[in-house]
Amino acid sequence: EVQLVESGGGLVQPGGSLRLSCAASGFTFSSYSMNWVRQAPGKGLEWVSYISSSSSTIYYADSVKGRFTISRDNAKNSLYLQMNSLRDEDTAVYYCARGDPRLRGAFDIWGQGTMVTVSS
Amino acid sequence: SYVLTQPPSVSVAPGQTARITCGGNNIGSKSVHWYQQKPGQAPVLVVYDDSDRPSGIPERFSGSNSGNTATLTISRVEAGDEADYYCQVWDSSSDWVFGGGTKLTVL
Repeated sequence: EVQLVESGGGLVQPGGSLRLSCAASGFTFSSYSMNWVRQAPGKGLEWVSYISSSSSTIYYADSVKGRFTISRDNAKNSLYLQMNSLRDEDTAVYYCARGDPRLRGAFDIWGQGTMVTVSS
Repeated sequence: SYVLTQPPSVSVAPGQTARITCGGNNIGSKSVHWYQQKPGQAPVLVVYDDSDRPSGIPERFSGSNSGNTATLTISRVEAGDEADYYCQVWDSSSDWVFGGGTKLTVL
């Protein structure tokens, strides 16, 4: 079964750090680009970051640039998001999502999400 | 930055046709993807590249894209179609962009 499972969410104080992980299974992870997308409570989807299959290309949303770092380990079939200098407005469910080049990059597989709460 | 504009809500009776729009500057030149999200669940891709459906998505879901507006059309709407719908594009200046989302209510 093709699956993405996020972990690492939790409660953190403003200014703190957190590292999210996304474990992939059921497909050749190293062949696909990956993304992080977040959703604040009661709000819409916000794309956060993109990493190409070989990690050669990385993009960030302006809202997280300089604070978040995306990475992947193809040998471990895992995607990561290192989040530093966290702010209240980073509170959200964070999803990892696969980008399929056959579908013009559309996000065809999503994890169930992990909640990040930034609060003192 | 590139902006996608969706109506906050659309209502339709069961069996009727729902049309959800996504506006953007010259969006007709871009590839538009659509996602369905039900409460408490992760989004699901329902249309990609303007009008193609992933496997497992009913033919009732279709899409079009021209000029400054892309449209997701849901024919013969069912109660189970009630959800939030998001459009998405890739823009060279903004990277991936999502619309604000549209809540579809089945009356």
